[in-house]
Amino acid sequence: DAMVIQNPRYQVTQFGKPVTLSCSQTLNHNVMYWYQQKSSQAPKLLFHYYDKDFNNEADTPDNFQSRRPNTSFCFLDIRSPGLGDAAMYLCATSRDSDEQFFGPGTRLTVL
Amino acid sequence: GEDVEQSLFLSVREGDSSVINCTYTDSSSTYLYWYKQEPGAGLQLLTYIFSNMDMKQDQRLTVLLNKKDKHLSLRIADTQTGDSAIYFCAEGEYGGATNKLIFGTGTLLAVQP
Repeated sequence: DAMVIQNPRYQVTQFGKPVTLSCSQTLNHNVMYWYQQKSSQAPKLLFHYYDKDFNNEADTPDNFQSRRPNTSFCFLDIRSPGLGDAAMYLCATSRDSDEQFFGPGTRLTVL
Repeated sequence: GEDVEQSLFLSVREGDSSVINCTYTDSSSTYLYWYKQEPGAGLQLLTYIFSNMDMKQDQRLTVLLNKKDKHLSLRIADTQTGDSAIYFCAEGEYGGATNKLIFGTGTLLAVQP
């Protein structure tokens, strides 16, 4: 089945230790999004790729970076995780401005 | 800026109807969405409504849109225990080639057997 896959589902890292979260898709969608969802809060868009073009949200901290080496994969890099970065990170994909399909998320714990 | 608000919690008995409400601020939104999130899972699109519509029905789901009051509601008929989840409304901020979603804080629906 076509789908959005996120690995790992649970990630534990130490304060200040870089971490990378992975998203892959078999939908061949040209847009990929990363959302941050803190406990009991709404998902918040961090950035998205339209094809190879990176689009950062104005209030996304510099600590968060992203890479998209090809259509299928997109990575979220957190350079120096702080305690406040503990959250569920959701990846989504779409064909242009059509419906967004979400992955199951990666829950990040920062010790 | 945009702001989407929802009540935090709703409890209903199995078989009753559930109504989840949402208010939004961006009158230029083209589409408004309802997503469902089960524990530990991602977001599942339930339904959406185009901004020039007042109502949309899809099996047990009915969406009502009052554009004047910027009020959106989701009615679930014959609510089942499997409907227990967090429900998010979202407005779409159309940016040309992409559609940025602004989510509400979510409503936890608890269905009592």
